[in-house]
Amino acid sequence: AQSVTQPDIHITVSEGASLELRCNYSYGATPYLFWYVQSPGQGLQLLLKYFSGDTLVQGIKGFEAEFKRSQSSFNLRKPSVHWSDAAEYFCAVGTEDSNYQLIWGAGTKLIIKP
Amino acid sequence: DTGVSQNPRHKITKRGQNVTFRCDPISEHNRLYWYRQTLGQGPEFLTYFQNEAQLEKSRLLSDRFSAERPKGSFSTLEIQRTEQGDSAMYLCASTPGGANYGYTFGSGTRLTVV
Repeated sequence: AQSVTQPDIHITVSEGASLELRCNYSYGATPYLFWYVQSPGQGLQLLLKYFSGDTLVQGIKGFEAEFKRSQSSFNLRKPSVHWSDAAEYFCAVGTEDSNYQLIWGAGTKLIIKP
Repeated sequence: DTGVSQNPRHKITKRGQNVTFRCDPISEHNRLYWYRQTLGQGPEFLTYFQNEAQLEKSRLLSDRFSAERPKGSFSTLEIQRTEQGDSAMYLCASTPGGANYGYTFGSGTRLTVV
């Protein structure tokens, strides 16, 4: 069965510092990969997605993610975080045989130090 | 495009009462999904509609849960005889195609069963 692991429950980063959030998945083929962000009490907003092609994908709000097949990873990065980036970040996986649902990681809460 | 709208935003109910939530998806999106999210977890799939047809239900959706999408427009999720374990954020999402397009989420309905 497919699974998604976000190994970091919390990450604290100083404002202006770089960020990398980890995501590992388990699936036999190349899945469809997503990163969503959720602010407190809000729904989820799509940051970026990967289906095929260039393994480095650009998203909104200055985020990017890199798909590494050999490591089954899809880590999210940002070169310089802003206080407004404080939120919870979710990695999700979709597959061809599950076109109606995504499998989600447990999320990583990003805390920004002033 | 007014986004996905969910009502109410918050609902507090006594155990044993029935509750109903509403979701208005983006008008041109034919697929609608319900997810449940508990604190510290990623969303869990509940059910999925393509137009008015309910095509999949998760095993999480007990007999006390029912969802409808009459005429393929808005959807309702009803929980009968609520239990404390039903306390969660209920998220609605829509997409113009499969999950691979990425969902557009509403802000959710926070249910608290006391």
